[in-house]
Amino acid sequence: DAKTTQPNSMESNEEEPVHLPCNHSTISGTDYIHWYRQLPSQGPEYVIHGLTSNVNNRMASLAIAEDRKSSTLILHRATLRDAAVYYCILSKNNNDMRFGAGTRLTVKP
Amino acid sequence: NAGVMQNPRHLVRRRGQEARLRCSPMKGHSHVYWYRQLPEEGLKFMVYLQKENIIDESGMPKERFSAEFPKEGPSILRIQQVVRGDSAAYFCASSKDRLIATNEKLFFGSGTQLSVL
Repeated sequence: DAKTTQPNSMESNEEEPVHLPCNHSTISGTDYIHWYRQLPSQGPEYVIHGLTSNVNNRMASLAIAEDRKSSTLILHRATLRDAAVYYCILSKNNNDMRFGAGTRLTVKP
Repeated sequence: NAGVMQNPRHLVRRRGQEARLRCSPMKGHSHVYWYRQLPEEGLKFMVYLQKENIIDESGMPKERFSAEFPKEGPSILRIQQVVRGDSAAYFCASSKDRLIATNEKLFFGSGTQLSVL
């Protein structure tokens, strides 16, 4: 299975942009790149996903490298409520989303 | 449009008892997934069900654990003869269509925190 690599943790200051990286060097042509996040004591929630082109929604932006071997989730202005564990996942030939350890984002006031 | 509903939110059982966790998927969703999250760990896939069928149970422990998704009613994750190691948060998710080779997304419930005394 194609795997993703993310830093264990990152810190950001409130109101500043945050760039969360994800490496997926073994991605195949049909893999979608999904991002979910899990706030404390809650279930994960969908953030964004993409295939080849960069994507924007109300929560975040997803920048996908031209070779698709890496991607970056961008939070344009971090708030304290964005403190969570962020998961980068490839949807391949699986019946489910395979969650790794993710990146724990800390937002400092 | 209610989201994925899980109950109970918290469940306390003594060793040897049975635990039943319920999950009602989002309206219009017929695909249900169960995940387990041990303290300070990531989510681990357990089982994927469609109405009345278990599609993938590769993440389920071979003994004591079972899941169903009947034609009517919620999906049930059942743990028999619970042990302390079963203490964890159990999350249910649903999707409208299958995930394989699609851009479907999962919608998660708030989870059931199981504590085994």
